[in-house]
Amino acid sequence: GAVVSQHPSRVICKSGTSVKIECRSLDFQATTMFWYRQFPKQSLMLMATSNEGSKATYEQGVEKDKFLINHASLTLSTLTVTSAHPEDSSFYICSAASGPGRSNQPQHFGDGTRLSIL
Amino acid sequence: GESVGLHLPTLSVQEGDNSIINCAYSNSASDYFIWYKQESGKGPQFIIDIRSNMDKRQGQRVTVLLNKTVKHLSLQIAATQPGDSAVYFCAEKEAAGNKLTFGGGTRVLVKP
Repeated sequence: GAVVSQHPSRVICKSGTSVKIECRSLDFQATTMFWYRQFPKQSLMLMATSNEGSKATYEQGVEKDKFLINHASLTLSTLTVTSAHPEDSSFYICSAASGPGRSNQPQHFGDGTRLSIL
Repeated sequence: GESVGLHLPTLSVQEGDNSIINCAYSNSASDYFIWYKQESGKGPQFIIDIRSNMDKRQGQRVTVLLNKTVKHLSLQIAATQPGDSAVYFCAEKEAAGNKLTFGGGTRVLVKP
């Protein structure tokens, strides 16, 4: 149980392109999903918290107009990297928790999206 | 283990031996802790968690120890196997929130 699917797994595109990444909870409903970015040999850094039916909460230093988040249903959140540039190249990972917002339940992660901007 | 710059601390262990991975945290408001395993090119995989009202929890071949006095968390892997080779992250969560804060990670290399 608690499977999170992320798509696509890899994207290579030209600078200036906008890229959409999908995150789905397959066997549970997720009121809250999280988006992380991970650079090589580094830890996961939280970018934003995605709340179903409301606006996402962005971490300090993350541009909300650059990284658009939509949480349209209890099983789907999307991250759109708008007008991507080479410095946006990274490994983007989503997660979802199966319990209520502040309960002590582990977040379950997707397998990430490797984004490469040429 | 904690990362220093771009270098992940690495633990080399002989197959069959026990592994101990350490993590220091700084937020005294954290009340929930999780260990994740991340293999190359994949997302983190849940291993085991522990709440702050406990100091030890055991799973299958893994044990997590929590010392709140010194803000230290450890993961012990018994009889380490080649499939245990990965990067291991600790993560913490505050009681008042739902966000996880990840530690720097430790790479475990299992030698046959």
